[in-house]
Amino acid sequence: EAQVTQNPRYLITVTGKKLTVTCSQNMNHEYMSWYRQDPGLGLRQIYYSMNVEVTDKGDVPEGYKVSRKEKRNFPLILESPSPNQTSLYFCASRNSDRLNTEAFFGQGTRLTVV
Amino acid sequence: GNSVTQMEGPVTLSEEAFLTINCTYTATGYPSLFWYVQYPGEGLQLLLKATKADDKGSNKGFEATYRKETTSFHLEKGSVQVSDSAVYFCALSEWQGGKLIFGQGTELSVKP
Repeated sequence: EAQVTQNPRYLITVTGKKLTVTCSQNMNHEYMSWYRQDPGLGLRQIYYSMNVEVTDKGDVPEGYKVSRKEKRNFPLILESPSPNQTSLYFCASRNSDRLNTEAFFGQGTRLTVV
Repeated sequence: GNSVTQMEGPVTLSEEAFLTINCTYTATGYPSLFWYVQYPGEGLQLLLKATKADDKGSNKGFEATYRKETTSFHLEKGSVQVSDSAVYFCALSEWQGGKLIFGQGTELSVKP
């Protein structure tokens, strides 16, 4: 089954404690990205990757890091989380960066930073 | 920059009512347009899309037409069901980097 898998689904952590949210896709997609979803703001892109070892900032990259060492994996790293990073996070993958390709989303990770 | 604006929610309807969720966009060039749906506790999934002006996307009884002259992509369904209760997102696909620009989402609740 084609899918994007994120872990964990829920995470509560304290300010400053480094964490990683994993994302893996089994569709051999080149393009992957991370979004955060906040009430009234929809989804905003944090980082994206167009292929292995190629990553770039989205609209809200501050406080986040990513890496793309393998095609299937695209982890999101918060080196020093802060309460304003409390949000619902989604990983997504697409076959290419062409305009009309469908994005497949993971089930989301609800992060709370206290 | 590019942007998407959706009608505010939440929207509450009775079963079998007609649904319209308005979506307008601002974009340079010729973006592709999408509607995604998010059921409770799940990720987003594609509902329908349209890739050029006057295209009509349709799926599961939902329809939306890409109107370039009014920069709109309104979602419609003739008769909603309780199972349609979800959050609906309108989105456009930018050329650079393949980014999706989302509206703020509209929560739909359908009562029996």
